[in-house]
Amino acid sequence: KQEVTQIPAALSVPEGENLVLNCSFTDSAIYNLQWFRQDPGKGLTSLLLIQSSQREQTSGRLNASLDKSSGRSTLYIAASQPGDSATYLCAVTRMDSSYKLIFGSGTRLLVRP
Amino acid sequence: ETGVTQSPTHLIKTRGQQVTLRCSSQSGHNTVSWYQQALGQGPQFIFQYYREEENGRGNFPPRFSGLQFPNYSSELNVNALELDDSALYLCASSLGPNRGSDSPLHFGNGTRLTVT
Repeated sequence: KQEVTQIPAALSVPEGENLVLNCSFTDSAIYNLQWFRQDPGKGLTSLLLIQSSQREQTSGRLNASLDKSSGRSTLYIAASQPGDSATYLCAVTRMDSSYKLIFGSGTRLLVRP
Repeated sequence: ETGVTQSPTHLIKTRGQQVTLRCSSQSGHNTVSWYQQALGQGPQFIFQYYREEENGRGNFPPRFSGLQFPNYSSELNVNALELDDSALYLCASSLGPNRGSDSPLHFGNGTRLTVT
Protein backbone atom coordinates (compact mmCIF):
# COMPACT_ATOMS: atom_id res chain seq x y z
CA LYS A 1 0.00 0.00 0.00
CA GLN A 2 1.36 3.37 -1.01
CA GLU A 3 1.79 5.81 1.87
CA VAL A 4 2.81 9.42 1.48
CA THR A 5 4.27 11.31 4.43
CA GLN A 6 5.03 15.00 4.72
CA ILE A 7 7.36 16.55 7.24
CA PRO A 8 7.05 18.93 8.98
CA ALA A 9 3.30 19.15 9.55
CA ALA A 10 3.61 22.88 10.18
CA LEU A 11 6.29 25.48 9.64
CA SER A 12 6.58 29.16 10.56
CA VAL A 13 9.38 31.26 9.06
CA PRO A 14 10.19 34.98 8.74
CA GLU A 15 9.79 36.60 5.37
CA GLY A 16 12.77 36.22 3.07
CA GLU A 17 13.92 32.83 4.28
CA ASN A 18 14.61 29.95 1.94
CA LEU A 19 12.83 26.80 3.04
CA VAL A 20 12.46 23.13 2.20
CA LEU A 21 9.36 20.97 2.50
CA ASN A 22 9.76 17.20 2.51
CA CYS A 23 7.65 14.40 1.07
CA SER A 24 8.35 10.66 1.25
CA PHE A 25 6.53 7.74 -0.33
CA THR A 26 6.81 4.01 0.31
CA ASP A 27 6.34 2.52 -3.18
CA SER A 28 8.75 3.66 -5.88
CA ALA A 29 6.57 2.33 -8.75
CA ILE A 30 5.12 5.73 -9.55
CA TYR A 31 4.39 7.61 -12.76
CA ASN A 32 4.87 11.04 -11.28
CA LEU A 33 4.77 13.24 -8.21
CA GLN A 34 2.98 16.56 -7.89
CA TRP A 35 3.12 19.43 -5.47
CA PHE A 36 -0.07 21.39 -4.79
CA ARG A 37 -0.92 24.51 -2.85
CA GLN A 38 -4.16 24.84 -0.89
CA ASP A 39 -5.40 28.08 0.63
CA PRO A 40 -7.78 27.80 3.62
CA GLY A 41 -11.18 26.41 2.62
CA LYS A 42 -10.21 26.33 -1.06
CA GLY A 43 -9.39 23.80 -3.73
CA LEU A 44 -5.94 22.71 -4.83
CA THR A 45 -3.67 24.53 -7.26
CA SER A 46 -1.01 22.49 -9.02
CA LEU A 47 2.48 23.94 -8.59
CA LEU A 48 4.87 21.43 -10.12
CA LEU A 49 4.63 17.95 -11.65
CA ILE A 50 7.71 15.72 -11.90
CA GLN A 51 7.56 12.64 -14.09
CA SER A 52 9.34 9.56 -12.70
CA SER A 53 12.10 9.91 -15.31
CA GLN A 54 12.88 13.47 -14.21
CA ARG A 55 14.98 14.68 -11.30
CA GLU A 56 13.59 18.17 -10.81
CA GLN A 57 11.23 20.87 -12.02
CA THR A 58 11.41 24.61 -11.50
CA SER A 59 8.81 27.36 -11.63
CA GLY A 60 9.82 30.83 -10.51
CA ARG A 61 10.92 30.68 -6.87
CA LEU A 62 9.86 27.02 -6.57
CA ASN A 63 12.05 24.02 -7.24
CA ALA A 64 10.92 20.44 -6.72
CA SER A 65 13.24 17.45 -6.78
CA LEU A 66 12.49 13.74 -7.00
CA ASP A 67 14.61 10.78 -5.91
CA LYS A 68 12.43 7.83 -6.84
CA SER A 69 14.86 5.18 -5.58
CA SER A 70 14.85 6.59 -2.06
CA GLY A 71 11.16 7.55 -2.16
CA ARG A 72 11.72 11.22 -1.48
CA SER A 73 10.83 14.60 -2.91
CA THR A 74 11.57 18.10 -1.71
CA LEU A 75 9.94 21.42 -2.51
CA TYR A 76 12.33 24.34 -2.18
CA ILE A 77 10.88 27.83 -1.85
CA ALA A 78 13.33 30.68 -2.30
CA ALA A 79 12.96 34.09 -0.67
CA SER A 80 9.65 33.27 0.99
CA GLN A 81 6.87 35.88 1.07
CA PRO A 82 3.74 36.24 3.25
CA GLY A 83 1.68 35.35 0.16
CA ASP A 84 3.31 31.91 0.19
CA SER A 85 1.40 31.09 3.40
CA ALA A 86 -0.76 28.07 2.61
CA THR A 87 -0.84 24.29 2.96
CA TYR A 88 1.43 22.44 0.57
CA LEU A 89 0.47 18.91 -0.43
CA CYS A 90 2.41 16.32 -2.38
CA ALA A 91 0.72 13.50 -4.28
CA VAL A 92 1.92 10.49 -6.26
CA THR A 93 0.36 8.49 -9.09
CA ARG A 94 0.99 4.77 -8.79
CA MET A 95 1.64 2.70 -11.90
CA ASP A 96 -1.03 0.13 -10.97
CA SER A 97 -3.76 2.71 -10.32
CA SER A 98 -3.07 5.59 -12.66
CA TYR A 99 -6.56 7.07 -12.32
CA LYS A 100 -5.96 8.53 -8.87
CA LEU A 101 -3.61 10.64 -6.81
CA ILE A 102 -2.42 9.54 -3.35
CA PHE A 103 -1.85 12.55 -1.13
CA GLY A 104 0.18 13.28 1.95
CA SER A 105 -1.38 15.19 4.84
CA GLY A 106 0.36 18.41 3.90
CA THR A 107 2.66 20.99 5.45
CA ARG A 108 0.99 24.14 6.76
CA LEU A 109 3.31 27.06 6.05
CA LEU A 110 3.15 30.49 7.67
CA VAL A 111 5.50 33.19 6.42
CA ARG A 112 5.63 36.04 8.93
CA PRO A 113 6.10 39.64 7.66
CA GLU B 1 -12.21 29.12 -20.21
CA THR B 2 -14.58 28.24 -17.36
CA GLY B 3 -12.98 26.46 -14.42
CA VAL B 4 -14.38 23.69 -12.24
CA THR B 5 -17.40 24.82 -10.26
CA GLN B 6 -19.01 23.03 -7.33
CA SER B 7 -22.32 23.55 -5.58
CA PRO B 8 -23.31 24.15 -2.93
CA THR B 9 -20.30 25.69 -1.19
CA HIS B 10 -21.52 24.75 2.27
CA LEU B 11 -24.09 22.26 3.51
CA ILE B 12 -25.32 21.10 6.90
CA LYS B 13 -27.11 17.76 7.18
CA THR B 14 -28.30 15.49 9.94
CA ARG B 15 -27.01 11.97 10.50
CA GLY B 16 -28.99 9.46 8.42
CA GLN B 17 -29.96 11.95 5.72
CA GLN B 18 -28.91 11.85 2.08
CA VAL B 19 -26.95 14.51 0.19
CA THR B 20 -26.16 15.33 -3.45
CA LEU B 21 -23.15 17.42 -4.41
CA ARG B 22 -22.68 18.80 -7.90
CA CYS B 23 -19.70 19.55 -10.11
CA SER B 24 -19.35 21.22 -13.49
CA SER B 25 -16.13 20.23 -15.20
CA GLN B 26 -13.82 22.59 -16.97
CA SER B 27 -14.70 23.20 -20.61
CA GLY B 28 -13.38 20.38 -22.80
CA HIS B 29 -12.68 17.99 -19.92
CA ASN B 30 -14.27 14.52 -20.10
CA THR B 31 -13.13 13.09 -16.76
CA VAL B 32 -14.26 13.95 -13.24
CA SER B 33 -12.70 12.71 -10.00
CA TRP B 34 -14.06 13.16 -6.49
CA TYR B 35 -11.97 13.43 -3.34
CA GLN B 36 -12.87 13.69 0.35
CA GLN B 37 -10.67 15.85 2.56
CA ALA B 38 -11.13 15.62 6.32
CA LEU B 39 -9.88 18.50 8.42
CA GLY B 40 -6.08 18.52 8.65
CA GLN B 41 -5.70 15.62 6.21
CA GLY B 42 -4.85 15.21 2.57
CA PRO B 43 -7.61 14.43 0.06
CA GLN B 44 -8.69 10.79 -0.26
CA PHE B 45 -9.82 9.46 -3.66
CA ILE B 46 -13.49 8.46 -3.78
CA PHE B 47 -14.04 7.61 -7.47
CA GLN B 48 -13.53 8.77 -11.03
CA TYR B 49 -15.96 9.04 -13.93
CA TYR B 50 -14.83 8.91 -17.55
CA ARG B 51 -17.33 9.20 -20.39
CA GLU B 52 -20.24 8.56 -18.00
CA GLU B 53 -18.78 5.35 -16.54
CA GLU B 54 -17.09 4.77 -13.18
CA ASN B 55 -13.41 4.29 -13.99
CA GLY B 56 -11.92 3.62 -10.59
CA ARG B 57 -12.99 3.63 -6.96
CA GLY B 58 -11.26 4.22 -3.67
CA ASN B 59 -11.91 2.60 -0.30
CA PHE B 60 -15.38 4.07 0.27
CA PRO B 61 -18.59 2.16 1.04
CA PRO B 62 -21.39 1.73 -1.53
CA ARG B 63 -23.45 4.48 0.11
CA PHE B 64 -21.08 6.81 -1.79
CA SER B 65 -22.26 6.82 -5.40
CA GLY B 66 -21.92 9.05 -8.41
CA LEU B 67 -23.09 9.96 -11.85
CA GLN B 68 -21.62 11.67 -14.86
CA PHE B 69 -23.86 13.30 -17.43
CA PRO B 70 -23.43 13.66 -21.22
CA ASN B 71 -22.11 17.21 -20.72
CA TYR B 72 -19.47 15.67 -18.35
CA SER B 73 -20.84 17.35 -15.25
CA SER B 74 -21.08 15.05 -12.24
CA GLU B 75 -22.89 14.36 -8.99
CA LEU B 76 -21.72 12.75 -5.79
CA ASN B 77 -24.46 11.17 -3.68
CA VAL B 78 -24.01 10.03 -0.11
CA ASN B 79 -26.75 8.04 1.62
CA ALA B 80 -27.24 7.39 5.34
CA LEU B 81 -24.88 10.18 6.37
CA GLU B 82 -22.55 9.56 9.30
CA LEU B 83 -20.75 12.09 11.48
CA ASP B 84 -17.41 11.03 9.94
CA ASP B 85 -18.67 12.11 6.51
CA SER B 86 -18.11 15.71 7.59
CA ALA B 87 -15.38 16.95 5.24
CA LEU B 88 -14.49 19.10 2.27
CA TYR B 89 -15.54 17.30 -0.93
CA LEU B 90 -13.39 18.22 -3.90
CA CYS B 91 -14.18 17.67 -7.53
CA ALA B 92 -11.43 17.69 -10.15
CA SER B 93 -11.70 17.50 -13.92
CA SER B 94 -9.17 16.53 -16.55
CA LEU B 95 -8.77 15.65 -20.19
CA GLY B 96 -8.55 11.87 -19.87
CA PRO B 97 -8.49 9.51 -16.89
CA ASN B 98 -4.78 8.73 -16.70
CA ARG B 99 -2.88 10.65 -14.02
CA GLY B 100 0.35 9.26 -15.42
CA SER B 101 0.06 11.59 -18.38
CA ASP B 102 0.82 15.29 -18.43
CA SER B 103 -2.87 16.14 -18.43
CA PRO B 104 -3.27 18.04 -15.16
CA LEU B 105 -6.14 17.88 -12.72
CA HIS B 106 -8.09 21.08 -12.21
CA PHE B 107 -9.77 21.28 -8.82
CA GLY B 108 -12.88 23.15 -7.78
CA ASN B 109 -13.12 24.98 -4.46
CA GLY B 110 -15.08 22.17 -2.87
CA THR B 111 -18.25 21.68 -0.88
CA ARG B 112 -17.92 21.83 2.89
CA LEU B 113 -20.31 19.22 4.33
CA THR B 114 -21.11 19.20 8.03
CA VAL B 115 -23.06 16.27 9.47
CA THR B 116 -24.62 16.83 12.90
